[in-house]
Amino acid sequence: IQLTQSPSSLSASVGDRVTITCRASQDIGSYLAWYQQKPGKAPNLLIYAASTLQSGVPSRFSGSGSGTDFTLTISSLQPEDFATYYCQHLNSYPRTFGQGTKLEI
Amino acid sequence: EVQLLESGGGLVQPGGSLRLSCAASGFTFTSSTMSWVRQAPGKGLEWVSSISGSGGSTYSADSVKGRSTISRDNSRNTLYLQMNSLRADDTAVYYCAKERVYNWNPGDSYDYWGQGALVTVSS
Repeated sequence: IQLTQSPSSLSASVGDRVTITCRASQDIGSYLAWYQQKPGKAPNLLIYAASTLQSGVPSRFSGSGSGTDFTLTISSLQPEDFATYYCQHLNSYPRTFGQGTKLEI
Repeated sequence: EVQLLESGGGLVQPGGSLRLSCAASGFTFTSSTMSWVRQAPGKGLEWVSSISGSGGSTYSADSVKGRSTISRDNSRNTLYLQMNSLRADDTAVYYCAKERVYNWNPGDSYDYWGQGALVTVSS
């Protein structure tokens, strides 16, 4: 299963609403997770099961979708949100990741 | 507190071998599917290999299949990745990660990650 994220990079400003998409090459149900990664750090889980917010993650993050089309939305960008975002499917093995979306100021 | 601590990274020559370890604590290790994920310098995340809680099921990416073996010692709460016939394109930071749910398949996310171990393959 291939995951294609778009865009690959995105420039935005504090306060903006941002949406990142992840498209799967076949139906993966809701077995999709989203991660945030900052330079030099391990990834951090944001969303699991396509739309469930991980404990401790700010509510400005939300996920939606099922089947092959998914989105991650940040409702009002904060300075600490500038990072790279990855989707991952966990429907089957191999557990592939999308190529990443770099969110820049 | 969940902790995952990788060790064993370093510089190795092409064709060489290396064993990474990941010491786990703060959760029920024997019930948890564990995985290795790597990230080449400046590149994205690449899933490498996973192992079920009992160790009875494993799966590896085609890029490492036949050259690497994932294993675990539940008595020591430790995950391993043995890598052989290393190539330059195996150079990466290797993360161990814990699956959030106690399923082999399907899963739903990796909720804890280690800090990563750098493996550099170069002569």
